Amino acid sequence: DGGITQSPKYLFRKEGQNVTLSCEQNLNHDAMYWYRQDPGQGLRLIYYSQIVNDFQKGDIAEGYSVSREKKESFPLTVTSAQKNPTAFYLCASSMVRGQPQHFGDGTRLSIL
Amino acid sequence: GESVGLHLPTLSVQEGDNSIINCAYSNSASDYFIWYKQESGKGPQFIIDIRSNMDKRQGQRVTVLLNKTVKHLSLQIAATQPGDSAVYFCAENISSGGGTSYGKLTFGQGTILTVHP
Repeated sequence: DGGITQSPKYLFRKEGQNVTLSCEQNLNHDAMYWYRQDPGQGLRLIYYSQIVNDFQKGDIAEGYSVSREKKESFPLTVTSAQKNPTAFYLCASSMVRGQPQHFGDGTRLSIL
Repeated sequence: GESVGLHLPTLSVQEGDNSIINCAYSNSASDYFIWYKQESGKGPQFIIDIRSNMDKRQGQRVTVLLNKTVKHLSLQIAATQPGDSAVYFCAENISSGGGTSYGKLTFGQGTILTVHP
């Protein structure tokens, strides 16, 4: 089945450590997105990419980095500069022009 | 220090009733709107979308209404079932220059729907 796979489902980070969240899609979508969701809140955009080897900052990009070397993959690194990384991270993809975004089932990141 | 959590709007209905979930959007330049359903511990699931050149769109048991005059969007769920219990989000896409929408969405806070058997 076509879809978006995020891994791992749960992730723990030590202070000062970088961690990378995986997102893979086999929907042949051009655009991919990373969102952060905090308890009782909506989704906030971290980074997005409309095409391979190109990506743009979203509303809360500080402390995060991404790469888009392949169409189907858009990994997110939470760096040690992100002082409040505990959250639920969601990856999504879409065709570029105004089509609905499809989401993975998220990665929950916690600090040890 | 003490943290204060946000309280999402909530809607409680009986099984079989119709539900209406409302959303106010912020930008008159928004040209595309989506409703998502999110169950606990999962990613948002697409329900229905509507473009700004329409004011109503129907799906299976769901209807979305768009009122551009007052910047208001609603989701109607007919014959609500316990499996409909979830958080519902509206999202808007603001048209980029040149009139094309490239899919960057802004999400609302969400509404908790609880369906009682």
